[in-house]
Amino acid sequence: EAQVTQNPRYLITVTGKKLTVTCSQNMNHEYMSWYRQDPGLGLRQIYYSMNVEVTDKGDVPEGYKVSRKEKRNFPLILESPSPNQTSLYFCASSLSEFYTEGYTFGSGTRLTVV
Amino acid sequence: SQKIEQNSEALNIQEGKTATLTCNYTNYSPAYLQWYRQDPGRGPVFLLLIRENEKEKRKERLKVTFDTTLKQSLFHITASQPADSATYLCALWLYGGSQGNLIFGKGTKLSVKP
Repeated sequence: EAQVTQNPRYLITVTGKKLTVTCSQNMNHEYMSWYRQDPGLGLRQIYYSMNVEVTDKGDVPEGYKVSRKEKRNFPLILESPSPNQTSLYFCASSLSEFYTEGYTFGSGTRLTVV
Repeated sequence: SQKIEQNSEALNIQEGKTATLTCNYTNYSPAYLQWYRQDPGRGPVFLLLIRENEKEKRKERLKVTFDTTLKQSLFHITASQPADSATYLCALWLYGGSQGNLIFGKGTKLSVKP
């Protein structure tokens, strides 16, 4: 089944403890992206990647890192999480051709930082 | 900077009626505009994409229009059903930027009453 898989689905952590949220897609998509979703603020893009070793900042990149060493994987790294990073996170992927289809999203990771 | 506004936070309609959702954007026109559906706690699901040179696009009971003069897209669901209840998001690619830089409106929550 074609899908974007995020892990974990739920995570509670403490301030300052480094964590990684994994994202993997099995559709050979070139484009991958991370979003966070907060009540009243909607979906905001954190980082995106156009291909292996090519990444760029979205609207809210502060406090996050990403890497794209393989086409299928796009992990999100929080080096020193803070409570304001408590949010619902989504990974998404798409073919390079944006004129025919949109992003396929993962099921989400609900992160709580205490 | 480019902004997207979905005028209604919530829309309540009766089953069988046509739901019409609005998406407005500022500044320059995007190359294309996308619509997604999101159910609570789940990732958005891509529905339709319309290009700047297209006036209208249809898919089953869904219809999207794109008016670059008004800087507006309308999303219609005809013969609405309770199962159509969800939040609907519009998204656009920042023209001239990376194709991965897709930004979203905050969404309109549609409730279809039996």
